[in-house]
This record gives sequence, structure tokens and C-alpha cells, in this order.
Amino acid sequence: DAGVIQSPRHEVTEMGQEVTLRCKPISGHDYLFWYRQTMMRGLELLIYFNNNVPIDDSGMPEDRFSAKMPNASFSTLKIQPSEPRDSAVYFCASSPPSRGGSQETQYFGPGTRLLVL
Amino acid sequence: TQLLEQSPQFLSIQEGENLTVYCNSSSVFSSLQWYRQEPGEGPVLLVTVVTGGEVKKLKRLTFQFGDARKDSSLHITAAQPGDTGLYLCAGPGGYSTLTFGKGTMLLVSP
Repeated sequence: DAGVIQSPRHEVTEMGQEVTLRCKPISGHDYLFWYRQTMMRGLELLIYFNNNVPIDDSGMPEDRFSAKMPNASFSTLKIQPSEPRDSAVYFCASSPPSRGGSQETQYFGPGTRLLVL
Repeated sequence: TQLLEQSPQFLSIQEGENLTVYCNSSSVFSSLQWYRQEPGEGPVLLVTVVTGGEVKKLKRLTFQFGDARKDSSLHITAAQPGDTGLYLCAGPGGYSTLTFGKGTMLLVSP
């Protein structure tokens, strides 16, 4: 089975431009997570979905960030307008349905390396 | 939010050496996970520990969960260059989320 798929793998853009990151979770997984990773702050949870519904977006840094999940096999994270401080690696992860209290494994995609000039 | 502190932040060793990295919290966790992130890739689960005092072995890697379930350690015996990567511990963050430590970056030189 294919793992979590993210595109693009690398993105270089100029300040002010719109950036759209894409994710295809593992089939059958009903949780989808978007993370941002930087050296200073580590891995931060931005937003997550359960059955395509956004559950908690409190980690989204600003209104410039938005995420959607129109169906079970696709999600986007959009930054508009982008700023240099948004430069980071963005990961999408998915996990299977929770089994009553156990800590489920999260399966990460390879990430999108974003550089905003 | 429960915080996980990892130490050391960076570790550079020669092939064949042994090492231990740590994950500590002031809070009790019902379980902890260890992930390894290789350069240019996403984190991959290594192990989940759920019982205080539990020890799990994965080839040359030994994971231990503290008796009080507030800390965990990862010991690598005879490290190899293929062990190079970022080691992250993670605990339940509430409602199917995970809280991650900042990780220990390990570099094993030939």
C-alpha cells in the first residue's frame, strides 16, 4: 500500500504569493493531521481532521493559514499571503480509527519543504 | 498541554559506540511512542511503550518506560551510520493527537 503522499516535495516562492500544499492520506485512515517543523519549535500540530471534519485548528498560526478536506482522500493547506517566517517543513500524517483509548500510530508523509523569499 | 523534554539535543558519535537518549516530563503519560526521522523524510514509528517499567527491544535499540510513566529512554548498542536521524518521543496530546518532544539529532560517523 502507498503511504501518505504529499506534493510538492519542495516549494520556493516569493513573499506575498499563495502557497498550496497537498496531501493524500492512507486509505481507511479517518484522522488527518497537518504539522509544521522548524529547528526552533520542533514539530507543531497545526490542524487535524476526523472523518473530513476539522476538529481543532488552534495550532494554525494566523488567518493567513487555512486547511480543507473535501473528501477522505485529499486535503490541502493553504498559505495566503506567504511570508518568509512561514519557511519550514510541512508534514501531513494520517492515523487509523481509534481503538478505544490506545495510542494510535501516526503515519507521516515525506513533507513539503517550503522556502519563502 | 503536557510537555516532553528530550536530551541531549544533539549527539555526534563514532560507529560502534553506545548511546542513550532521554525523554522526560513532569506529567504522567498513559503511553509513549518513539519515532525516528531520517534526513529528508517524515517520522516513522519505532515503538510504543504502555506499562510503567516496560522494556522493549528492537534489534540494537532498547526502549524503557519509567516506573512512574513520566520518562523514557532509548539506548542504542554499537551504533551504525544507518542509525543517523532525529529521534522523537511522543505522548497522547488529547483526543487522538500526539504531543512531540523537540527530538535528539543523532549523527553516527563511520
